[in-house]
Amino acid sequence: NAGVTQTPKFQVLKTGQSMTLQCAQDMNHEYMSWYRQDPGMGLRLIHYSVGAGITDQGEVPNGYNVSRSTTEDFPLRLLSAAPSQTSVYFCASSYTGFNEKLFFGSGTQLSVL
Amino acid sequence: AQTVTQSQPEMSVQEAETVTLSCTYDTSESDYYLFWYKQPPSRQMILVIRQEAYKQQNATENRFSVNFQKAAKSFSLKISDSQLGDAAMYFCAYCNQGGKLIFGQGTELSVKP
Repeated sequence: NAGVTQTPKFQVLKTGQSMTLQCAQDMNHEYMSWYRQDPGMGLRLIHYSVGAGITDQGEVPNGYNVSRSTTEDFPLRLLSAAPSQTSVYFCASSYTGFNEKLFFGSGTQLSVL
Repeated sequence: AQTVTQSQPEMSVQEAETVTLSCTYDTSESDYYLFWYKQPPSRQMILVIRQEAYKQQNATENRFSVNFQKAAKSFSLKISDSQLGDAAMYFCAYCNQGGKLIFGQGTELSVKP
């Protein structure tokens, strides 16, 4: 059982470039979410989804897009990377809701130069 | 808006001793969920303990227990018989019925042999 798989683990971008962070889970979880982790600020919710075809904004959505075409996949797109988006990104999933145990991916460390 | 505050950026404990990590939160809701997550140097987020606000009994998981004071909006984590493997960043988190998870800033725990 792979759990939650995030790719890539590390990425360096130049300002203005776009890219997609991939997240896939094989546990048939309905709930998926993206967080960014910055020093001294904990994890902040970017976007989340409660099922295929349903997404919503979290606390810090600006500059990011998501889609949920399948239950398994929840990619996060950076439209035009900025240095302020340098962070560690985590994807997480749960079966019955965000008030249950979350299963996290191993994170993507992104640097925007 | 709900907030979660961890006032101790760093804590240190001697191996085999007991340490308590503090967490306070702000909410006007009566029904919610509280969590402690552990993030070791591997960066993997691991659920330590979960508390449902309507339950008066404090949650316990082996050497980990919480002191949940609903009126004071306090949710501290006690680690007994500390082990070297307990060294990690610990995050307190709050989730309301709407399902958005809010994290505190984190407390970095070091364990001295």
